[in-house]
Amino acid sequence: SAVISQKPSRDICQRGTSLTIQCQVDSQVTMMFWYRQQPGQSLTLIATANQGSEATYESGFVIDKFPISRPNLTFSTLTVSNMSPEDSSIYLCSVEDPLGEDTQYFGPGTRLTVL
Amino acid sequence: EDKVVQSPLSLVVHEGDTVTLNCSYEVTNFRSLLWYKQEKKAPTFLFMLTSSGIEKKSGRLSSILDKKELFSILNITATQTGDSAVYLCAVKAGTASKLTFGTGTRLQVTL
Repeated sequence: SAVISQKPSRDICQRGTSLTIQCQVDSQVTMMFWYRQQPGQSLTLIATANQGSEATYESGFVIDKFPISRPNLTFSTLTVSNMSPEDSSIYLCSVEDPLGEDTQYFGPGTRLTVL
Repeated sequence: EDKVVQSPLSLVVHEGDTVTLNCSYEVTNFRSLLWYKQEKKAPTFLFMLTSSGIEKKSGRLSSILDKKELFSILNITATQTGDSAVYLCAVKAGTASKLTFGTGTRLQVTL
């Protein structure tokens, strides 16, 4: 398995501002994933981040709104830009099993509230 | 478009009961199905299933996959209040690593 940490754990932000969420993994992984879980909803993939290349975004998500960095094999950031109340969600970082199993593990999540 | 449907949406049982949670899917080039338990924010991995008819078991929890009928079930026996959570089913398809999630089943276990 993988041990994943995220910062911040939670935040309350004003509309129009931006928040950067950090994700750290205890082992090197090729792909890191960012998911969003809106209140009462299930998880939706925002983008996949590979080290050394541009992130791949899912339909409905764009780089200008959710820029992602992946500077090395253990770290990634997701920025939620120009926030509105509709961005209030739990944001989750995820990685595949570093040992190659087809399993995916999740970080503790960041609960974002936008006022 | 890949689709994962879970039922029931919510369930309230008494401690000691046995529950069965359902997950059906429609995906192209199915690869694996995963079950997670979500109590607060982070989904915790429970099982990964790739082959039909092979039961995965961990304590009071067990799960099985039917690739012909395109569904999986998660069983919890002798439920405890600590089992109260949202149980999520997710599917991987093709060569992608993306997980497609169902809406989840909210389980509440009462005394």
